[in-house]
Amino acid sequence: DGGITQSPKYLFRKEGQNVTLSCEQNLNHDAMYWYRQDPGQGLRLIYYSQIVNDFQKGDIAEGYSVSREKKESFPLTVTSAQKNPTAFYLCASSIGVTFTDTIYFGEGSWLTVV
Amino acid sequence: AQKITQTQPGMFVQEKEAVTLDCTYDTSDPSYGLFWYKQPSSGEMIFLIYQGSYDQQNATEGRYSLNFQKARKSANLVISASQLGDSAMYFCAMREGNQGGKLIFGQGTELSVKP
Repeated sequence: DGGITQSPKYLFRKEGQNVTLSCEQNLNHDAMYWYRQDPGQGLRLIYYSQIVNDFQKGDIAEGYSVSREKKESFPLTVTSAQKNPTAFYLCASSIGVTFTDTIYFGEGSWLTVV
Repeated sequence: AQKITQTQPGMFVQEKEAVTLDCTYDTSDPSYGLFWYKQPSSGEMIFLIYQGSYDQQNATEGRYSLNFQKARKSANLVISASQLGDSAMYFCAMREGNQGGKLIFGQGTELSVKP
């Protein structure tokens, strides 16, 4: 099945810990994204990558880091510097970055700080 | 300033009736795309329909259609013959041609379909 796979679905983090959310796609898309969603809110862009080995900060990049070593994979690390990390995280991809390219999403990962 | 505005936090519709979800947008870029997504309670974001700024006709996909009024900067989603499974959050989003791929979301509208 073609699609975007995020893991884990649910993750609990202790204060001061870094955690990494996995995102893999087999759609052969060049561009990948990470969005954060808080309860009752729309999505906000954390980071995006147009091609391998390249990525740009989105609107709320502070406290997060990413890598793009392979076309299929775009992991997101939530660092201890992120003050309020409890949220729903959505990974996405698109074939390109033009305004006509549809962005498709994974099923999301819930992160809770305990 | 808000780039995407969805003014209806919640909507109710009777099963089998049509419903319109409002979306207005703000951009000075002549090249842009407008997208609607559905988010059920499970969380995944499902793409529904796309309208490009240069498209002459309103987009349609099955029971979904987009009422695109460029001069008014509105892109309302129309769902015909509502089904119980249509109950979800609906998000309007925009991608501008000069923004390197960013998709900007509105706050969403929660649609509840009544039997």
